Amino acid sequence: DVKVTQSSRYLVKRTGEKVFLECVQDMDHENMFWYRQDPGLGLRLIYFSYDVKMKEKGDIPEGYSVSREKKERFSLILESASTNQTSMYLCASLDTTKGTEAFFGQGTRLTVV
Amino acid sequence: AQKITQTQPGMFVQEKEAVTLDCTYDTSDPSYGLFWYKQPSSGEMIFLIYQGSYDQQNATEGRYSLNFQKARKSANLVISASQLGDSAMYFCAMREGLNTGFQKLVFGTGTRLLVSP
Repeated sequence: DVKVTQSSRYLVKRTGEKVFLECVQDMDHENMFWYRQDPGLGLRLIYFSYDVKMKEKGDIPEGYSVSREKKERFSLILESASTNQTSMYLCASLDTTKGTEAFFGQGTRLTVV
Repeated sequence: AQKITQTQPGMFVQEKEAVTLDCTYDTSDPSYGLFWYKQPSSGEMIFLIYQGSYDQQNATEGRYSLNFQKARKSANLVISASQLGDSAMYFCAMREGLNTGFQKLVFGTGTRLLVSP
């Protein structure tokens, strides 16, 4: 059974803290994605990665960075958390050579106070 | 520019009726794929259906069908015989660059569907 796992379901952090959101997939997928989901705005792409150490900015990369040191792990980093980064964060992975669907983690609800 | 547009923030349908959720997209890539996902109140993302840009026939999966009109750049989801359990948020998404390893997956803003008895 394919699986994408996000390290935390709920997180509460203070303004200015450095925050790490971890995502691990066990499907040997090349592509991984980070989104944030806000009411009325849908899923907005923050960053994606198509290979180890390769990353591309999505539509809203400001205030975020990412790391992909191993194929199975894609980390989202909030360098200095701010209250406007309070959101639901979703990680996904995709097989670019076969198959169709993207697989999602369970989401991390981040609250920055 | 928005790549995926879902113009219906909310839709209501009665149980057992059919409903169409609209989606239009914008891409210059000749090789792309279109998805629909369902997100119930629990928050999980459930894959429903997929259509490739070169697929000749509209995709169907049980009660779900994708009305793909390439020239109009639309990919509407049709749910036949709605059930109470269909009440959820529905997202349309597009995957570009199918012939490359560099694939981007973008989503629309979603449509909340409410099925009433």
